[in-house]
Amino acid sequence: NAGVTQTPKFQVLKTGQSMTLQCAQDMNHEYMSWYRQDPGMGLRLIHYSVGAGITDQGEVPNGYNVSRSTTEDFPLRLLSAAPSQTSVYFCASSADRRRYEQYFGPGTRLTVT
Amino acid sequence: AQSVAQPEDQVNVAEGNPLTVKCTYSVSGNPYLFWYVQYPNRGLQFLLKYITGDNLVKGSYGFEAEFNKSQTSFHLKKPSALVSDSALYFCAVRPRPGNTPLVFGKGTRLSVIA
Repeated sequence: NAGVTQTPKFQVLKTGQSMTLQCAQDMNHEYMSWYRQDPGMGLRLIHYSVGAGITDQGEVPNGYNVSRSTTEDFPLRLLSAAPSQTSVYFCASSADRRRYEQYFGPGTRLTVT
Repeated sequence: AQSVAQPEDQVNVAEGNPLTVKCTYSVSGNPYLFWYVQYPNRGLQFLLKYITGDNLVKGSYGFEAEFNKSQTSFHLKKPSALVSDSALYFCAVRPRPGNTPLVFGKGTRLSVIA
């Protein structure tokens, strides 16, 4: 079991560029989510999914898109990167969305210049 | 709206002393409560949770937390701190019933000094 994997680990983008952060889990978890972590802000939810084909917005969804075509994968797309999106991004998954014992990936550190 | 407060940005404790990391919450119903730990350059790791039952919950690495409904608190504790406990600790809450995602506190950095 690899758990939750994220690629890339580091990325530098120029303002206006687009990219996709990859997230995959091999635990057959229904629930997946994306967070961003900024100093002094804790973790803020960007988007989440309760199953394949179903996604919803979290606290800070603007500038990000997601899709969930399979149970395993939950990519996060930055449409037009902005310096305000410089952050560490974490993907998480959970078998039971009600009990919310989430497993986190190692994170992607993104810098937008 | 649900929220979590971790009133201390930083907690310093000597090795071998007991430690407490504070968390208070605000939800409209009875909550599910969680503690996670983050070591440098790593993702978050689950420590423990309160769902129902005993107010004192035991978790990984010798940590425990006490749910206090009247004070709306869920403080993390450990009887004897280790240097290796130094990390960033997050409290999180989700109200029940309902289908809203977890809400995390801003985190408390614990530093255990040898």
